[in-house]
Amino acid sequence: DVKVTQSSRYLVKRTGEKVFLECVQDMDHENMFWYRQDPGLGLRLIYFSYDVKMKEKGDIPEGYSVSREKKERFSLILESASTNQTSMYLCASSFGWTGHFGDGTRLSIL
Amino acid sequence: AQSVTQPDIHITVSEGASLELRCNYSYGATPYLFWYVQSPGQGLQLLLKYFSGDTLVQGIKGFEAEFKRSQSSFNLRKPSVHWSDAAEYFCAVGIQGAQKLVFGQGTRLTINP
Repeated sequence: DVKVTQSSRYLVKRTGEKVFLECVQDMDHENMFWYRQDPGLGLRLIYFSYDVKMKEKGDIPEGYSVSREKKERFSLILESASTNQTSMYLCASSFGWTGHFGDGTRLSIL
Repeated sequence: AQSVTQPDIHITVSEGASLELRCNYSYGATPYLFWYVQSPGQGLQLLLKYFSGDTLVQGIKGFEAEFKRSQSSFNLRKPSVHWSDAAEYFCAVGIQGAQKLVFGQGTRLTINP
């Protein structure tokens, strides 16, 4: 069965810390995505990547960066965490339009 | 700009009753449309998708959706809901050429016994 794995289900960090969220997929998919999910706002795209070492800004990239050194791994980086980045973060991978999501990381910034 | 609107934030229905979740989109070209479901504590699962052809699309778990171009809508329906259908439902439009999705705000479905 296909699998998108996010390294943490829950994470608590402090303001100003550099935070890494990791995502690994085992389907050899070209495309990978990072979304944040907030009540009443749905899912908003932060960054996406079509291939290794490629990245594209989504709709809300400010305060975030990404890294894709290997095809199966897509990392989201909060350069200096702030309280307004407290949210649920979802990773997804896709081949064409068939997407698969991880279970999410609930990140709290104190 | 492309957008998706789900007018109902929260819907409550009784078990066994019929269900319709509304979705309206704004997109310049022929849209690719999707419905996803998110059970508590889990990621999103694809229920169904529409690319072209028959405007009534069948999905998993007994769901269907109808594309109506004149109304810019893609409403999700189920004839008889089960308690296990309680979840959050997201409608999305695919941005062609970029292969990325724009999601609606979501509709939370509660099932009364």
